[in-house]
Amino acid sequence: DTAVSQTPKYLVTQMGNDKSIKCEQNLGHDTMYWYKQDSKKFLKIMFSYNNKELIINETVPNRFSPKSPDKAHLNLHINSLELGDSAVYFCASSEKGTGSGNTIYFGEGSWLTVV
Amino acid sequence: EDQVTQSPEALRLQEGESSSLNCSYTVSGLRGLFWYRQDPGKGPEFLFTLYSAGEEKEKERLKATLTKKESFLHITAPKPEDSATYLCAVRQGAQKLVFGQGTRLTINP
Repeated sequence: DTAVSQTPKYLVTQMGNDKSIKCEQNLGHDTMYWYKQDSKKFLKIMFSYNNKELIINETVPNRFSPKSPDKAHLNLHINSLELGDSAVYFCASSEKGTGSGNTIYFGEGSWLTVV
Repeated sequence: EDQVTQSPEALRLQEGESSSLNCSYTVSGLRGLFWYRQDPGKGPEFLFTLYSAGEEKEKERLKATLTKKESFLHITAPKPEDSATYLCAVRQGAQKLVFGQGTRLTINP
């Protein structure tokens, strides 16, 4: 069973379109995240949710809107896609933040290409 | 601002040739240093968490160590399947990891 699963894995879309990436975790974790990995392979946090409540919003453009219908799901909706949004987006989860003993588990990633 | 710098950016070794990867960090009050492995086309896979200087953890051919300024990932007698990008991160605040740019390791048979 995949612990953190995200769909789609690959997404090619035109500038200006709106798209969503879905994420689900079956680990029973309270906290979920979205990270972005750019072409230089840097992983940077975008958002974190703790039991459906937004905790971290890391200076991400308003075009990006996370939605957490329940603590096992965290979706990412992107409006008016731009070329610079092309990247790999990783969903992740942990028991409660990254406190002592808590490990962040990552999904397989969603490769977004904006053309 | 917390910073993580990894070196080298890329490392190519022969099978069986031991070496170390470096992760230098500046953080106000370390609350955990994390090592991950990332294979091409995959998400990061957790390896270790270290919390205090002097701490060491081992897993198969990998050993992670921690000082007050840096962490090392020692690879002993590596095999081709150890080829991957190794990522280091420090915990910032309650829920955020700050990552380095990674070291791309290639083990030639």
